[in-house]
Amino acid sequence: GAVVSQHPSWVICKSGTSVKIECRSLDFQATTMFWYRQFPKQSLMLMATSNEGSKATYEQGVEKDKFLINHASLTLSTLTVTSAHPEDSSFYICSATHRGDTQYFGPGTRLTVL
Amino acid sequence: KQEVTQIPAALSVPEGENLVLNCSFTDSAIYNLQWFRQDPGKGLTSLLLIQSSQREQTSGRLNASLDKSSGRSTLYIAASQPGDSATYLCAPRGSGNTPLVFGKGTRLSVIA
Repeated sequence: GAVVSQHPSWVICKSGTSVKIECRSLDFQATTMFWYRQFPKQSLMLMATSNEGSKATYEQGVEKDKFLINHASLTLSTLTVTSAHPEDSSFYICSATHRGDTQYFGPGTRLTVL
Repeated sequence: KQEVTQIPAALSVPEGENLVLNCSFTDSAIYNLQWFRQDPGKGLTSLLLIQSSQREQTSGRLNASLDKSSGRSTLYIAASQPGDSATYLCAPRGSGNTPLVFGKGTRLSVIA
């Protein structure tokens, strides 16, 4: 099946700093990428939908100025957590799809903000 | 808005038992439904995908059924093993380029 990678797999940062997470589709062109967040013992919650070359669509309650999403190419989307705070500590997972086909998930990025 | 409920939230069984995990969803207009497995601190592993036109899918000891009209899916695990211990997530998907919507999952522990 198709492969989606995420980098980094884990990151620890100080409060107030910004962190960038990359999501790449390795062997297919992803017309759409989704970003999810998962808190401990909770389900995956969709944060935003990102289509290549256009602005991301954010779910209700997700601050677009805090979680910057860029989908500049058909194989790469980035999520930048700006001015991170401890409450942003979570597991961030991206998924990618090509023209509405099966969603393929990345392995996730564990963010810890001190 | 699609809402997904998984019952039970947690389950502990002795090795060798057959078990059923339940998933219900509020919007029956789905394109397909996937079952995933998630190990602690890890990403998702896709187990089975059922298209809306299908009734069930099988992979090894796993069998997933779908009753789209009633908004239900079940995951049947035969002859459970300790290695099956994980959280199992159900995720229906609407039509078009819409994302999967996840339930909270069922945490399964299989005791040797």
